Amino acid sequence: DTAVSQTPKYLVTQMGNDKSIKCEQNLGHDTMYWYKQDSKKFLKIMFSYNNKELIINETVPNRFSPKSPDKAHLNLHINSLELGDSAVYFCASSQDVGPGGYTFGSGTRLTVV
Amino acid sequence: GENVEQHPSTLSVQEGDSAVIKCTYSDSASNYFPWYKQELGKRPQLIIDIRSNVGEKKDQRIAVTLNKTAKHFSLHITETQPEDSAVYFCAASAGKSTFGDGTTLTVKP
Repeated sequence: DTAVSQTPKYLVTQMGNDKSIKCEQNLGHDTMYWYKQDSKKFLKIMFSYNNKELIINETVPNRFSPKSPDKAHLNLHINSLELGDSAVYFCASSQDVGPGGYTFGSGTRLTVV
Repeated sequence: GENVEQHPSTLSVQEGDSAVIKCTYSDSASNYFPWYKQELGKRPQLIIDIRSNVGEKKDQRIAVTLNKTAKHFSLHITETQPEDSAVYFCAASAGKSTFGDGTTLTVKP
């Protein structure tokens, strides 16, 4: 059983399109995150949800909208895709909002052409 | 907010040598310091962590040390093997984790 699963694994799309990435965790964790990893491998937090409630919203364009229908799912919708959105997007989860290790999903490589 | 600096950005060692990666953090409220290993094309995976009430932790060939006063912590890998080649990230957390920029470790056979 995959602990944190993301779909799709690869996503190639044209500028201006709208796309979604889905994430599910079966660990019973309370907190889920979206991270963006750029071509230089830097990991930058985008959003964090705790029990379906948004708790972290870093400086991210409002074209990015997370949605958490329940604490096991955190999806990311991106409107009007731009070339600079090309990156690997990782979903992650942790036990609670306090300090603890993250379990990452396998990532979604988004390429905007 | 928290700021984590990680050095070096790249590190190349011979198989069997030791490797050390260092991180500093800025927020004295940070109390949890995990290290992640990311192999090429894979997800980051937690390899070891340390909490602020502990100065050192060891797990086989890897160890982490923490100096709260100086606000720095380090990852030590002994007897390196080619399969240790990866990008290593440190992080500091007082809630959410702030990651360092990563160190690309290459172990030459």
